[in-house]
Amino acid sequence: AQSVTQPDIHITVSEGASLELRCNYSYGATPYLFWYVQSPGQGLQLLLKYFSGDTLVQGIKGFEAEFKRSQSSFNLRKPSVHWSDAAEYFCAVGAGSGNTGKLIFGQGTTLQVKP
Amino acid sequence: DSGVTQTPKHLITATGQRVTLRCSPRSGDLSVYWYQQSLDQGLQFLIHYYNGEERAKGNILERFSAQQFPDLHSELNLSSLELGDSALYFCASSVSLPPQYEQFFGPGTRLTVL
Repeated sequence: AQSVTQPDIHITVSEGASLELRCNYSYGATPYLFWYVQSPGQGLQLLLKYFSGDTLVQGIKGFEAEFKRSQSSFNLRKPSVHWSDAAEYFCAVGAGSGNTGKLIFGQGTTLQVKP
Repeated sequence: DSGVTQTPKHLITATGQRVTLRCSPRSGDLSVYWYQQSLDQGLQFLIHYYNGEERAKGNILERFSAQQFPDLHSELNLSSLELGDSALYFCASSVSLPPQYEQFFGPGTRLTVL
């Protein structure tokens, strides 16, 4: 079955430190992969997406992610975290067949940033 | 601001009642999606409409139904409400058919069933 796993429920990093959020997926075909961010009381905002091509994708707010097919992973990275990055981060795979639009989300990783 | 609007922002109701959540997609978007976010289930896909037609159903209960109107806004109807239906309900929209088109999420409707 299709699934997304985010192994880290909660991560704390110091402001200015680097960040890596892990995401592993299970999907039979070539996946469409996404990272979304949710700030408290807000909807989800797309950070970046991978459909095909270059396996290192750049997103908004200085985030990037690398697709590794051999490891079924799509980890999110940022070289230097800002206090405003504190939020919940969701990895998702586009799992619908026939253009059904179903996104399967991981359980989310809450990022706390220490001053 | 994603351009997707949802009303109401908060809804408090009692068990057994029926409510309607409304979603207006971004101007020009033909696809509308509904998701439920709860503490125990996480973010779950409920249903997808494209230009008025149902395209896919996810983990949507039989007590729940949705429709997309000719002006492309959508409504999610929840009936015979139970305590476990308390959740954040998100609507998202995209220009056309997925998965190549980004889904833009609204701010959500927080439903509390007492």
